[in-house]
Amino acid sequence: DTEVTQTPKHLVMGMTNKKSLKCEQHMGHRAMYWYKQKAKKPPELMFVYSYEKLSINESVPSRFSPECPNSSLLNLHLHALQPEDSALYLCASSGRMNEKLFFGSGTQLSVL
Amino acid sequence: GIQVEQSPPDLILQEGANSTLRCNFSDSVNNLQWFHQNPWGQLINLFYIPSGTKQNGRLSATTVATERYSLLYISSSQTTDSGVYFCAVKNEGYQKVTFGTGTKLQVIP
Repeated sequence: DTEVTQTPKHLVMGMTNKKSLKCEQHMGHRAMYWYKQKAKKPPELMFVYSYEKLSINESVPSRFSPECPNSSLLNLHLHALQPEDSALYLCASSGRMNEKLFFGSGTQLSVL
Repeated sequence: GIQVEQSPPDLILQEGANSTLRCNFSDSVNNLQWFHQNPWGQLINLFYIPSGTKQNGRLSATTVATERYSLLYISSSQTTDSGVYFCAVKNEGYQKVTFGTGTKLQVIP
């Protein structure tokens, strides 16, 4: 299994909603990542977990809250988002931090 | 942080043509990857190539780390090659992988 699975594929939420994005991999990878991608731009790193511990937080606003319950799962909890947070959210994993990256298909998020 | 520029920004090819995409970076790197993002947003890792040359079918890549550039060669292009190609690099002493500006490729029949 060489897949990174993200759910949901699409999400529409209001500014007062709470929602979560989920990511799962079964490749035995010990590093997992959240990226944000706006249209026609490259992906931007948000968070990195290495061995289930938060290693990098790229000064992301607290309305985004990551969680790594175990080595296969990564969540991104969303609360009180703004319309400018609308973007494609990509999860990735690698064997160890900064090795070859494998991406999921992303969650297209729209904040109304 | 490290600067990563890709050229050309846009490229239109006739099916069957060959092309070369370039990635320039501003500092020494110990990690360089090439990705293809299809029109549906899926990012596929094409190569992990911090130095040297690799080939995979119609694609090949070369990284000359001492001169701070990498090249991606696409031969006999197909319409399914359309999308955006990104390089991503990490330099020593820095934890983060940085994506380049991207090259948007359109292959027309």
